[in-house]
Amino acid sequence: AQSVTQLDSQVPVFEEAPVELRCNYSSSVSVYLFWYVQYPNQGLQLLLKYLSGSTLVESINGFEAEFNKSQTSFHLRKPSVHISDTAEYFCAVNERGGGNKLTFGTGTQLKVEL
Amino acid sequence: GAVVSQHPSRVICKSGTSVKIECRSLDFQATTMFWYRQFPKKSLMLMATSNEGSKATYEQGVEKDKFLINHASLTLSTLTVTSAHPEDSSFYICSARDARLADNEQFFGPGTRLTVL
Repeated sequence: AQSVTQLDSQVPVFEEAPVELRCNYSSSVSVYLFWYVQYPNQGLQLLLKYLSGSTLVESINGFEAEFNKSQTSFHLRKPSVHISDTAEYFCAVNERGGGNKLTFGTGTQLKVEL
Repeated sequence: GAVVSQHPSRVICKSGTSVKIECRSLDFQATTMFWYRQFPKKSLMLMATSNEGSKATYEQGVEKDKFLINHASLTLSTLTVTSAHPEDSSFYICSARDARLADNEQFFGPGTRLTVL
C-alpha cells in the first residue's frame, strides 16, 4: 500500500525567502507524484507533477520539485516566496497501475509573512 | 484546461434531511470521478470511486447506504448524503479523470461545504 508523509504541518517564512516543503512516500511499485495547492475554502489545484523523464519538474509560478527515487522523496521548493503563496500544500502519490487512486499527505500550511 | 464544477458550493440543512451534491466535468468526459471528504486541518480522505454506468467503489469504513453515489453520464456524478447528521458536516470535494489522458491526473472541483444543524 502507498503512503505519503509530510513532516511539516506548518512552515512560516518571510516574503522573498526560499522555502522547502518536504514530502516522502512509500510504495512497493513505481509511482506518479503530485503537488496540489489549496487556498482557503477552495478545492485543490495541481501545482506540478512527476510522471516520468526528468526528475526535476517546474510549475509556472516558480515552484519546483525533484523526484529522488533513492530517498523516496518529492520535496517542493521555491527560491523566493510571495505573500500570495500562502496556502495549504498537499503531496500525493498514485501507484502506476493502481487504478488512479490518489493518496494524499496531511498537508503543509505555508504562511508567508512580510 | 480541464474544469470541474460542484454545486452547491455551500449548503446548510437540518438533521435528518438528505442533501445532493453535483460534480460536473465541464469541458471533458470523465469515465471516473472521485469523492473526497476533508476535515478541518486534515488531509483529503477518499470516500469512493465513481465509474460511469456502474456502481461506485467505496473505501473501507464509508457507508454506501449513507453516501449514495450516482454517475449517470460521462460529465456528471452526484453524491447524496442521506439522513444527514451533524457529524456529516464537512468539506466534500470531487475530482474527475479525463478519459483522453494517459496519465493519472485528477482535476478537482472547488468543493462543497456541508453544515448539518
